[in-house]
Amino acid sequence: DAKTTQPPSMDCAEGRAANLPCNHSTISGNEYVYWYRQIHSQGPQYIIHGLKNNETNEMASLIITEDRKSSTLILPHATLRDTAVYYCIVRVRGQTGANNLFFGTGTRLTVIP
Amino acid sequence: NAGVTQTPKFRILKIGQSMTLQCTQDMNHNYMYWYRQDPGMGLKLIYYSVGAGITDKGEVPNGYNVSRSTTEDFPLRLELAAPSQTSVYFCASSYGQDTQYFGPGTRLTVL
Repeated sequence: DAKTTQPPSMDCAEGRAANLPCNHSTISGNEYVYWYRQIHSQGPQYIIHGLKNNETNEMASLIITEDRKSSTLILPHATLRDTAVYYCIVRVRGQTGANNLFFGTGTRLTVIP
Repeated sequence: NAGVTQTPKFRILKIGQSMTLQCTQDMNHNYMYWYRQDPGMGLKLIYYSVGAGITDKGEVPNGYNVSRSTTEDFPLRLELAAPSQTSVYFCASSYGQDTQYFGPGTRLTVL
């Protein structure tokens, strides 16, 4: 079962910030929030992850609320190449310690010229 | 580094045929995974491996088999292809609990 909730689609003007929300109200204390994206039919691409604190890398920023029940992925200056499906994933540790990732249907972001 | 490579890129099978999807990674990752993605859906985990000689079932293992004889290779076997196995298959790898890196995928059609 999916452990996250995301809007099915969003639009963003080119050059503006894209803010993608995610709800994960049942997240437990040792679970990380991961973001991946999938451009067209390519393999998913890692973007960023975090546990409690806000995180930033060369691709994006991740803002996690204090109660950790939701988060927002921010693409500061969206380009046409950022058009993709974005997945918010809560990482579950399996019985053998495997790094299982549960993918939902994600948010389809369309960057508009 | 080539990362994660998959072959073939495309394949059409007839019902009842068998085939092996190949996956190789050159990052010395100990964990490897197979996912499938049906049209308009997210990815579902088929099998995973935490090291050579160790494999375990994921969410949708029925109709598939895997083996892991080396760190680099993690082939996925379909013994009796069925139309329900028409999908895009992605292989991924990671170093322990760290980030997963995905291959380009194999698009399989079973007619």
